[in-house]
Amino acid sequence: EPEVTQTPSHQVTQMGQEVILRCVPISNHLYFYWYRQILGQKVEFLVSFYNNEISEKSEIFDDQFSVERPDGSNFTLKIRSTKLEDSAMYFCASSLSPSDEQFFGPGTRLTVL
Amino acid sequence: AQKITQTQPGMFVQEKEAVTLDCTYDTSDQSYGLFWYKQPSSGEMIFLIYQGSYDEQNATEGRYSLNFQKARKSANLVISASQLGDSAMYFCAMRELAGWGTYKYIFGTGTRLKVLA
Repeated sequence: EPEVTQTPSHQVTQMGQEVILRCVPISNHLYFYWYRQILGQKVEFLVSFYNNEISEKSEIFDDQFSVERPDGSNFTLKIRSTKLEDSAMYFCASSLSPSDEQFFGPGTRLTVL
Repeated sequence: AQKITQTQPGMFVQEKEAVTLDCTYDTSDQSYGLFWYKQPSSGEMIFLIYQGSYDEQNATEGRYSLNFQKARKSANLVISASQLGDSAMYFCAMRELAGWGTYKYIFGTGTRLKVLA
């Protein structure tokens, strides 16, 4: 069964460093998303992406964040200068159409020291 | 703005018993979708079940069913014949219209379910 994959599973970085979180959405899906879950809290929407453009972003998704689909399979989230409060689990999701269920990847746990 | 409320931070259930996890929602939209996800201790988000606001029947997927009461704005998840592997965090989510016809999910705070042997 097709699934969303994410790498790495765990990333440790120093405050101020840039990180890139990678996702491979389900191959025929066209809509892509990033969510964040701070430890012990609920999952929060960050950004949606379609047709190589951001469709919607939350207030969390400030200038330090960017997303890109560099090729036909990968979807990346970049944090330019990480802060301690960026420590969280980051989930990538994809859907075939806007109204279909979003399938989530296994997440990348980001730890900022 | 839409909102999802899960009032049970934690629940216990005996193995093989049924359990209901509560979820209420608030929206002014006529068309909406409700989802339940399971998050085991390993952290991944597993889609369980979906209910559309115009669906006349309650959704069912194996041992999972959704008790959808539109007038009360509730979408409770019922797990029948609980198994030890059902121990996990469960999130209720609602689909909210985002930019350019896309949707984003609004999640509740979750209910941690522990199944007892």
